[in-house]
Amino acid sequence: GAGVSQSPSNKVTEKGKDVELRCDPISGHTALYWYRQSLGQGLEFLIYFQGNSAPDKSGLPSDRFSAERTGGSVSTLTIQRTQQEDSAVYLCASSYEGDRANYGYTFGSGTRLTVV
Amino acid sequence: GEDVEQSLFLSVREGDSSVINCTYTDSSSTYLYWYKQEPGAGLQLLTYIFSNMDMKQDQRLTVLLNKKDKHLSLRIADTQTGDSAIYFCAESIRGNTPLVFGKGTRLSVIA
Repeated sequence: GAGVSQSPSNKVTEKGKDVELRCDPISGHTALYWYRQSLGQGLEFLIYFQGNSAPDKSGLPSDRFSAERTGGSVSTLTIQRTQQEDSAVYLCASSYEGDRANYGYTFGSGTRLTVV
Repeated sequence: GEDVEQSLFLSVREGDSSVINCTYTDSSSTYLYWYKQEPGAGLQLLTYIFSNMDMKQDQRLTVLLNKKDKHLSLRIADTQTGDSAIYFCAESIRGNTPLVFGKGTRLSVIA
C-alpha cells in the first residue's frame, strides 16, 4: 500500500484479556519496528524485524508481549493478560534498510489501546 | 548508553522563529532525525542530518548539529499555527539498530 496501515485504530479491552494489534508495512520495506508511546513518555522501542534475521526483541517489557512477522510482510503484536499499564499508543514503522538515511522510518497512525 | 533529551514544551507567537533543542549521549551517532507528530497521527519525518555535517537547511527548517556538545537543534522560521505539533529528535547509532527517540517537544503556536 501507499503507507503503513495499522488496525484497529482504537481498542478497549478488559484487564486480563489478550489483544492482537496488526501492522501492514509498505510493500518492499525490509525492516519493521514496533514502538510504544505512553502519555508523557517518548517512543519506547519494543521489537524489530529485519528481513529473514532473528528479530531483536530486546525492548519487549515482559513475556506477555510477543510479535511475529509472516512472510516478511504483515506483523502482529500480541499482548497476553493485559494490564492497565499496557494502555498506550502502539506505533508500527517500516523502512528500507538500504536507504534509511534518506527516508528514515514511515510510521503508521498507531493503535490506541485502553485497558479497563 | 543511549539517551536523547528534549525540553517538553515550547510556546511561540505566529510569525516568530521556533528553536527546538535536543541533546544526545552517544558520540557514535551516524544520523540524527527530526520527526513531527500531529494529533492522532503517527510520526512524519521532517528532516535528517548526517553526523559529518554541521548545518542543513530545507525551506523554513534549519538543523544545526554541534558534535562536540552532542547538541542538535531545529529552527522553524516564520512559525505558523499548522506547525503546532510534537517534535521528536531521534538518533541512529549503528546500521541495523532501532532509532532512539527523545520524549518529544510540544510546540504551541499562538495566533
